[in-house]
Amino acid sequence: EPEVTQTPSHQVTQMGQEVILRCVPISNHLYFYWYRQILGQKVEFLVSFYNNEISEKSEIFDDQFSVERPDGSNFTLKIRSTKLEDSAMYFCASSEEGSWTEQYFGPGTRLTVT
Amino acid sequence: KQEVTQIPAALSVPEGENLVLNCSFTDSAIYNLQWFRQDPGKGLTSLLLIQSSQREQTSGRLNASLDKSSGRSTLYIAASQPGDSATYLCAVNKASNTGKLIFGQGTTLQVKP
Repeated sequence: EPEVTQTPSHQVTQMGQEVILRCVPISNHLYFYWYRQILGQKVEFLVSFYNNEISEKSEIFDDQFSVERPDGSNFTLKIRSTKLEDSAMYFCASSEEGSWTEQYFGPGTRLTVT
Repeated sequence: KQEVTQIPAALSVPEGENLVLNCSFTDSAIYNLQWFRQDPGKGLTSLLLIQSSQREQTSGRLNASLDKSSGRSTLYIAASQPGDSATYLCAVNKASNTGKLIFGQGTTLQVKP
């Protein structure tokens, strides 16, 4: 069964460094998303992406963050100048057609900023 | 602003019991509602998706209902098993074309053998 994959599973970085989190969505899916979950808190929406453009971004998704689909299979989240409060589990998700279809999540990347 | 609440926060039941998890949302303008399972330190596994025009969806021992007008959904688990122990999350897809999901805080279920 097709699944969303994410790499790395765990990333440790120092404050102020840049990190790139990678995702491979399900191959025939057209909509892509990033969410994050700070330990003990709700899963929060960061950004949705369709047709090589951001469809919606949350207040969290400021200039520190960017997304890219560099080729036909990968979807990346870049976090510049990381802060301690960026430590969280980051989930990538994808859906087949529109916003009304089921979203499938990857296993997540645990980002630890020290 | 859409708010999603899940009650109870935690639930412990003996194996074999039927149980109901609750999810409420403040804005009835939604496309759909999705139930997920999350095991500790793991990703989210989609369980059921209910479109706003539907009243319920079933998958095996799981049955999810939706009452959009009252802002409520329930997840019914029949004949619970220890393997059902996990955190169950509900998320609403607000009525826009961007797919943004808004999550509740989850109900952590423990099924004791």
